[in-house]
Amino acid sequence: DAMVIQNPRYQVTQFGKPVTLSCSQTLNHNVMYWYQQKSSQAPKLLFHYYDKDFNNEADTPDNFQSRRPNTSFCFLDIRSPGLGDAAMYLCATSIPGAGGEKLFFGSGTQLSVL
Amino acid sequence: AQSVSQHNHHVILSEAASLELGCNYSYGGTVNLFWYVQYPGQHLQLLLKYFSGDPLVKGIKGFEAEFIKSKFSFNLRKPSVQWSDTAEYFCAVPGGTRQLTFGSGTQLTVLP
Repeated sequence: DAMVIQNPRYQVTQFGKPVTLSCSQTLNHNVMYWYQQKSSQAPKLLFHYYDKDFNNEADTPDNFQSRRPNTSFCFLDIRSPGLGDAAMYLCATSIPGAGGEKLFFGSGTQLSVL
Repeated sequence: AQSVSQHNHHVILSEAASLELGCNYSYGGTVNLFWYVQYPGQHLQLLLKYFSGDPLVKGIKGFEAEFIKSKFSFNLRKPSVQWSDTAEYFCAVPGGTRQLTFGSGTQLTVLP
């Protein structure tokens, strides 16, 4: 009954080689997020989509891009991965509501950069 | 924007011990507060949330949290932990439009 699905679970890429991480949802939620979580740190928001509106965090490096071709799918593209980009990447969805957000998370993709 | 701090990075308890994990938030206006849990190898999931009303909030699996406005705190508690509670626990607040800002997390290890 997975509702937010991330593939693959583990991804290995080479330094400087572009990589794409995938996320799909069966919840029909308006909002989709990409978070980066490094070991022993808080998940850090990279960007989010409200429907087709893209919202980039001010400190998200230009190396990170995202695409949302439709409601169900969202992709994270890392154009030239560096060693510092090795992390867990979490996709999440939500429905905007009054008083805060409840996020539904995928299981994440663990990215290794060699 | 609001922020949260979690002071305990790693807590180790024996089964049946009582648990309290600290969370302090930075902003004194209208506050919405969340605790998320991440079990080993699983996705982050909502444990409980506070929007308004009764400051003592009950969540899943016997967890509760108390919102104390005067202390800017929203500590997570459980009277008797189990081995299956081993996980990482994150406190969170809305960090902007449609966003959550997470604390740095507390790794709880429960020894059988």
